[in-house]
Amino acid sequence: SQTIHQWPATLVQPVGSPLSLECTVEGTSNPNLYWYRQAAGRGLQLLFYSVGIGQISSEVPQNLSASRPQDRQFILSSKKLLLSDSGFYLCAWSEDGINEQYFGPGTRLTVT
Amino acid sequence: KQEVTQIPAALSVPEGENLVLNCSFTDSAIYNLQWFRQDPGKGLTSLLLIQSSQREQTSGRLNASLDKSSGRSTLYIAASQPGDSATYLCAVRGYNTDKLIFGTGTRLQVFP
Repeated sequence: SQTIHQWPATLVQPVGSPLSLECTVEGTSNPNLYWYRQAAGRGLQLLFYSVGIGQISSEVPQNLSASRPQDRQFILSSKKLLLSDSGFYLCAWSEDGINEQYFGPGTRLTVT
Repeated sequence: KQEVTQIPAALSVPEGENLVLNCSFTDSAIYNLQWFRQDPGKGLTSLLLIQSSQREQTSGRLNASLDKSSGRSTLYIAASQPGDSATYLCAVRGYNTDKLIFGTGTRLQVFP
């Protein structure tokens, strides 16, 4: 069966510090991968998605970037965090990009 | 631009009641619709996926229906239990896109 992992589970970072969140998927190959953010009082927003190694699509302009160095690894990064980057970050995967998406446990990021 | 609305925003019911959660979307040209459950501080759990050609899907005490022409989906929960307490989210996917558009959710509380 497939499993999706995210770490860390929680993170408190000062403004201006760098960020690296990691997501890995087990039990499947060549998945479509997604990063979402869930901010307080707002719905889930798609940030990035990837259909293969090195292929990243950005949905919204922002202070964040994503990379996919390996087939089942997806990384969300920032060089300098802003207060507005606080939120709950969720990674998801899909077999084919058109059917079900499955979500990880999330990372709670607080920028102080 | 697709917009997804969920009504009510919050619902509190006694155990044993049958419930209906509503999801409306403005653009009927959807490929599929997915219902999720989110427990506080956790990731999303996929409940049901309805393809645009389907009218309903069932899983245990859950039944989701889709009326694409009217831009509506309902999630029916039979014989509710305290363990059903969570936030329920619906999301739609258009054609030729990976992107899910989420509603803001219905927070359900089932009390004993």
